[in-house]
Amino acid sequence: QEQLQESGPGLVKPSETLSLNCSVSGGSISGYYWSWIRQPPGKALEWIGYSYYSGYTSYNPSLKNRVTISVDTSNNQFSLILSSVTAADTAMYYCAGGAAPRKFDYWGQGTVVTVSS
Amino acid sequence: EVVMTQSPATLSVSPGEGVSLSCRASQSVSSNLAWYQQKPAQGPRLLIYGASTRAPGIPARFSGSGSGTEFTLTINNLQSEDFALYFCQQYNTWPLTFGGGTKVEVK
Repeated sequence: QEQLQESGPGLVKPSETLSLNCSVSGGSISGYYWSWIRQPPGKALEWIGYSYYSGYTSYNPSLKNRVTISVDTSNNQFSLILSSVTAADTAMYYCAGGAAPRKFDYWGQGTVVTVSS
Repeated sequence: EVVMTQSPATLSVSPGEGVSLSCRASQSVSSNLAWYQQKPAQGPRLLIYGASTRAPGIPARFSGSGSGTEFTLTINNLQSEDFALYFCQQYNTWPLTFGGGTKVEVK
């Protein structure tokens, strides 16, 4: 049973870049799809995108120009980079994964990111 | 994108009772729907996928039904550990979208 743990800064300044990491333990990162999902305060969950372990990616069109998700198989972790952040990017960020790209068998507990100067 | 609407926002239920949660899609998602449970300070847990298939390890008191645009999650004989937030997710069409959630609380 894979266990996921997010890490990264809890505070990012407007216009800067948000970077988060997700460590995967209890199993291999290979063969699975790895995603990032976020939940702004008072709003529904929003799918950000996914990366297959091989490097193939797919992103939400609403964020596509600003987001990069990559997988590091040698360290069993994957990451999220979101550029040019604004207050609208303030949210709880979850990493998630599974055997298929469209549903999420495993989740991290989430990490809060606040965008503020 | 497909908008997922859950109702009601909150359900007050007594332990041992049953409850039905509703999830509606703005367009047909066939049976490509999942349900998740989330407890405070925890990540969500997959309960149901394919609208009605329980994920491994999920108790039989959880069941899902529906197809197209109307879906229901039914929990029978509510246990103390079932009081939580539940949300649905469609995976028929990109981008994947989630409902706003229904909180099941103790009456």
